[in-house]
Amino acid sequence: DQQVKQNSPSLSVQEGRISILNCDYTNSMFDYFLWYKKYPAEGPTFLISISSIKDKNEDGRFTVFLNKSAKHLSLHIVPSQPGDSAVYFCAASARSGGSNYKLTFGKGTLLTVNP
Amino acid sequence: NAGVTQTPKFQVLKTGQSMTLQCAQDMNHEYMSWYRQDPGMGLRLIHYSVGAGITDQGEVPNGYNVSRSTTEDFPLRLLSAAPSQTSVYFCASSFPGSPLHFGNGTRLTVT
Repeated sequence: DQQVKQNSPSLSVQEGRISILNCDYTNSMFDYFLWYKKYPAEGPTFLISISSIKDKNEDGRFTVFLNKSAKHLSLHIVPSQPGDSAVYFCAASARSGGSNYKLTFGKGTLLTVNP
Repeated sequence: NAGVTQTPKFQVLKTGQSMTLQCAQDMNHEYMSWYRQDPGMGLRLIHYSVGAGITDQGEVPNGYNVSRSTTEDFPLRLLSAAPSQTSVYFCASSFPGSPLHFGNGTRLTVT
């Protein structure tokens, strides 16, 4: 049973517009969430994270929103740039349960930003 | 800083062969782990280690062995390769509570 779900396999947006990537989770023990970005033939690289005590975290063009009651988080990229084209993975862990080392990943969303 | 280094980048094995995927990090990270990525499956945790001499199983440990004799190295051993182990393998490391740093992966094909 998938505990972290990214229901959109792909997303295409125009350069300069907003990209919104979504992620849902089912395990109520998850209390720390991360987004990773992956280019072909490279490993995932950390992008941004959020703890369950917050509902928003911002880092430059990237903002992550967390809705705990809905078990939903989203990554907003504004403005989108062609270099943002990559696969984005949502990941979660249960830090307070002592499992902060173990990440559960979604299947990823391929973002394409068109010039 | 090299970060997390994985070798080899590519490997082809025949069913039943054994091999070791190497992983080394130079960041003095306590935590190291191995994930596999299959098409449409995301990344799944195979084994992890919270420090030298300590290892534990992740979500998909069957068919794989690990050991952690030093802080820097965390090799992944396939004792008898099977076609189901065809995948891209990623090693990662971190300090406790910090995001994982990933290597660039080893693409393994088992025929």
